Amino acid sequence: TQLLEQSPQFLSIQEGENLTVYCNSSSVFSSLQWYRQEPGEGPVLLVTVVTGGEVKKLKRLTFQFGDARKDSSLHITAAQPGDTGLYLCAGAGANSKLTFGKGITLSVRP
Amino acid sequence: NAGVTQTPKFQVLKTGQSMTLQCAQDMNHEYMSWYRQDPGMGLRLIHYSVGAGITDQGEVPNGYNVSRSTTEDFPLRLLSAAPSQTSVYFCASSNSALGLGRYEQYFGPGTRLTVT
Repeated sequence: TQLLEQSPQFLSIQEGENLTVYCNSSSVFSSLQWYRQEPGEGPVLLVTVVTGGEVKKLKRLTFQFGDARKDSSLHITAAQPGDTGLYLCAGAGANSKLTFGKGITLSVRP
Repeated sequence: NAGVTQTPKFQVLKTGQSMTLQCAQDMNHEYMSWYRQDPGMGLRLIHYSVGAGITDQGEVPNGYNVSRSTTEDFPLRLLSAAPSQTSVYFCASSNSALGLGRYEQYFGPGTRLTVT
């Protein structure tokens, strides 16, 4: 079973602060996705990274896939209350099945 | 274009009752799946389907059945509900089962199930 560990589990910050959260595994993934989930709704895809070392930017969010394709990070610049939510990473293994991490609950205070 | 729809949004069952959670998508996606989400456990795959007539088990299939008679619909049946099945259930669909991790999974809004 391929496991994805996300850290920290909970994060509460003030509006305007920067933050970085992590998604780590001992397994190699062919691709990795980040989703954001708001209360009472289903997860929504933010990004897919495929190549080791790949960096993708989505406005104030920067995603990086590790060189060995075992880990990923999400950096948010100048966090806003609208960034509040549960951030899930999901890795695709050799059988193309997705494994989800347990998620990071982010709260951005105004 | 409604995307992925799930019914009902909320359900309370007594132990031993059976019911079907409905899921439908209008995007002509081949791949559909069911997950359950529990506090501190993330999303766990229950069953999935790579096309009409084809289903397979995921990580936590016990106590659940599925069938896929059409591309659009993928119902999840609870055979005899147990309190351990209290959870939030999400249905998802994707454009292709091949290279699943490279395609977006579209999730429904979820069904909140309580078994007493």
